Amino acid sequence: AQTVTQSQPEMSVQEAETVTLSCTYDTSESDYYLFWYKQPPSRQMILVIRQEAYKQQNATENRFSVNFQKAAKSFSLKISDSQLGDAAMYFCAYRPLGNQFYFGTGTSLTVIP
Amino acid sequence: DAGVIQSPRHEVTEMGQEVTLRCKPISGHDYLFWYRQTMMRGLELLIYFNNNVPIDDSGMPEDRFSAKMPNASFSTLKIQPSEPRDSAVYFCASSLLGLQYNSPLHFGNGTRLTVT
Repeated sequence: AQTVTQSQPEMSVQEAETVTLSCTYDTSESDYYLFWYKQPPSRQMILVIRQEAYKQQNATENRFSVNFQKAAKSFSLKISDSQLGDAAMYFCAYRPLGNQFYFGTGTSLTVIP
Repeated sequence: DAGVIQSPRHEVTEMGQEVTLRCKPISGHDYLFWYRQTMMRGLELLIYFNNNVPIDDSGMPEDRFSAKMPNASFSTLKIQPSEPRDSAVYFCASSLLGLQYNSPLHFGNGTRLTVT
């Protein structure tokens, strides 16, 4: 079964600080893709970052970076220098080289001014 | 690129009425997905299409739900008859999954459905 687990329903971070959101997944595949999506109160689903499983180098997009541990099947998102606009629900998603995307249940991030 | 376009943005209807949600995917994308999001169940995949053909509809909750994709630029999700428990945000998303396997899902802005 393909499952994605986000064990932190809620997280909070002080503005300008760093926070890490965790995600684990279950798969027997060797090639696949991982994504983090952000959903602010406007409900729009926004792609934050993506990672190819065959790449050892962790993806980085400005203040957002991932810690991809393939053996541990872990894909955490680190947000540096947190800003008020980072407050949102964050979803981890996994896609094998097939067709479907599998989403976690989300982590609600609060940024404290 | 205008992105994935969904309409309407909000829909309020009475129980028993037919509801039709519409989606225009990004041009050139060969996969289209319909998701439902609720607080209780999170993001659920209802059905997805490849080149206008339904591939997996196992997430469709019951026969009251149906989806069509008559051409590459349009899809509908219909609920008939609607029930209060169908109240949710419905997302359409498209993706290009040919040779570009890392192509992410591109979501529409969703339709918030309220059934009273």
